[in-house]
Amino acid sequence: DVKVTQSSRYLVKRTGEKVFLECVQDMDHENMFWYRQDPGLGLRLIYFSYDVKMKEKGDIPEGYSVSREKKERFSLILESASTNQTSMYLCASREGGGNQPQHFGDGTRLSIL
Amino acid sequence: EDKVVQSPLSLVVHEGDTVTLNCSYEVTNFRSLLWYKQEKKAPTFLFMLTSSGIEKKSGRLSSILDKKELFSILNITATQTGDSAVYLCARYGSSNTGKLIFGQGTTLQVKP
Repeated sequence: DVKVTQSSRYLVKRTGEKVFLECVQDMDHENMFWYRQDPGLGLRLIYFSYDVKMKEKGDIPEGYSVSREKKERFSLILESASTNQTSMYLCASREGGGNQPQHFGDGTRLSIL
Repeated sequence: EDKVVQSPLSLVVHEGDTVTLNCSYEVTNFRSLLWYKQEKKAPTFLFMLTSSGIEKKSGRLSSILDKKELFSILNITATQTGDSAVYLCARYGSSNTGKLIFGQGTTLQVKP
């Protein structure tokens, strides 16, 4: 079975802090993705990676960066957290190429105070 | 820009009812359309549709794609309270990057 694990279900941080969200998949998938989910706006893509050390901006990359040093791990970094980054963050992975579904982790609900 | 629109945004039914959820999309190099179910946590994959007119079925859930009219429907028959969830529709974008474009979701509540 496909398994995507996000390090925290709930996280509370303060404005200005540097925040790390971790995601690990165990299916040897090439592609990994970070989304944020907000009421009324649906899921929006922040960054994605199609291979180790490769990354591409999604639709809303401002204020975020990512790291993919190993195939199984994709990290999302909030450089200096702000209150408008309070959201549900979802990580996903999929096999590279063709029409394959993305598989999601359980999400991290992040609150920035 | 590719866009996915779901309707209705929310729906309340009683157990045993049949529901139809709608998803329309704008076309540019269409590849596939996907349905997910999201309860309290991870969206779970339901169906992927690539060909027009071919129904995909899993238990009480079924889905079909119409590439001419640019929409898909998700049907749930004999609904149960466990079907209460947000149902997400998404399509792969024009570029071959694996980027999914999601609709806003339909929130379904099934009352006993």
